[in-house]
Amino acid sequence: RKEVEQDPGPFNVPEGATVAFNCTYSNSASQSFFWYRQDCRKEPKLLMSVYSSGNEDGRFTAQLNRASQYISLLIRDSKLSDSATYLCVVSPGNFNKFYFGSGTKLNVKP
Amino acid sequence: DVKVTQSSRYLVKRTGEKVFLECVQDMDHENMFWYRQDPGLGLRLIYFSYDVKMKEKGDIPEGYSVSREKKERFSLILESASTNQTSMYLCASTEGKNEKLFFGSGTQLSVL
Repeated sequence: RKEVEQDPGPFNVPEGATVAFNCTYSNSASQSFFWYRQDCRKEPKLLMSVYSSGNEDGRFTAQLNRASQYISLLIRDSKLSDSATYLCVVSPGNFNKFYFGSGTKLNVKP
Repeated sequence: DVKVTQSSRYLVKRTGEKVFLECVQDMDHENMFWYRQDPGLGLRLIYFSYDVKMKEKGDIPEGYSVSREKKERFSLILESASTNQTSMYLCASTEGKNEKLFFGSGTQLSVL
């Protein structure tokens, strides 16, 4: 079983739509959670860290559900520029290890 | 903002060549990482370093070595490049354990 699993998509949505991605992780001792955005042939860039209490940054909301071992990313009012691959990254409590999901591809259409 | 700089954006090498990929970070981060990213396989850890001259093997270290002589610089070495090492190579750094990763812009390496 993979440490981190994501639906690869693609999610094809119209501009203005609300879209949500989930990511499940297998290690209940995981400590840190992140969403990264990656554009084609570019490096991943941090979108948001995910905190236990949930957090919001503009149109983006991230939540953590420890009981069910998943994190989610909600994008409201989708823009064309949101089209990218969204990577879920999880770090367990031990030494410097990061587990990456395979990424969820989002296409926002006019 | 943290800056992680990789020396080359695109690189073409021949089979058997020795290849050096350089990475420099400017935020005094303790930890540095080398990943490769391939379609369908995601990011895979090659090596990481938690201090000068310290290194740990990642999940796929075979065919690679690393060097960290100075805190800000972490080099990945392909001793004898092979075609199956054609990939996107990403360097990253973090300030502390389990802190967020900052990535360089990547090196797309083609081995012919």
